[in-house]
Amino acid sequence: GAVVSQHPSRVICKSGTSVKIECRSLDFQATTMFWYRQFPKKSLMLMATSNEGSKATYEQGVEKDKFLINHASLTLSTLTVTSAHPEDSSFYICSARDLSLLLAGGETQYFGPGTRLLVL
Amino acid sequence: AQTVTQSQPEMSVQEAETVTLSCTYDTSESDYYLFWYKQPPSRQMILVIRQEAYKQQNATENRFSVNFQKAAKSFSLKISDSQLGDAAMYFCAYRSRAVQGAQKLVFGQGTRLTINP
Repeated sequence: GAVVSQHPSRVICKSGTSVKIECRSLDFQATTMFWYRQFPKKSLMLMATSNEGSKATYEQGVEKDKFLINHASLTLSTLTVTSAHPEDSSFYICSARDLSLLLAGGETQYFGPGTRLLVL
Repeated sequence: AQTVTQSQPEMSVQEAETVTLSCTYDTSESDYYLFWYKQPPSRQMILVIRQEAYKQQNATENRFSVNFQKAAKSFSLKISDSQLGDAAMYFCAYRSRAVQGAQKLVFGQGTRLTINP
C-alpha cells in the first residue's frame, strides 16, 4: 500500500527556534498534502492544505507566518514552525492524496506516522 | 459548513463480541464520502472503511461494516468478533466530492474503543 513518511518522528527544541517537519509520499505522487495538529486525546484539526507549486490554503485561525508550508514537489511538503513556543507543542500529522487514484475517480488519503513536537 | 458528531467518547466490548460506534453528520451536499479511521496507540491513522454517498449498499471490509442512513445523516460502524488489536481511537470523517467543494476531511471528536479480554 501507499506509504507516507514524516521526519522527524519527534523533536525537542528551545523556545524561539524554528523547526521543520518533512512529509514525503514514498511510492506515489501527491498534488495535495494536508497538515493536521492533534492535541492529546483530541481529534485532528486541519491546519492547512498544501498544493504542489502554489501557496498553501490555511484554515481560519491558523497563522500562516507562524506555520510555513512549502510543497516544492509531488512527493514532498514541509511544515516549518517558526519561533516556536511551548504552546506549539503538539502532535503534527500530514496526509497525502494519491494523484493517480484521484484521476481514476477514486479518493484515498494516506496519513504519515506523525511528529511529536515539544518546545521547552 | 459540514460537521461530524460522535456522541460516544468511550466504548468497551468483550473480546469476540460485536460493537457499534455511532456517527452523525450535517451537510447540505448530496455527493460526498464518509470514512472511518482507526488510530491505535502508535497514533498512525489507518483507514478502516469508506462509503460513497451515492451508493445505497453499505460498505463492508471483513469484520467491519457500516450502516449508512443518508436521509438520517447517520453512519455507524459495526465491528464483529472484536479482537484485542481493535482497541484504538476511532474517527468518523466526511469529505465533499464536489469539484468546487472543500477537499478536506472533516473529523468527528473520536470514540475510544476498549476491548476487554
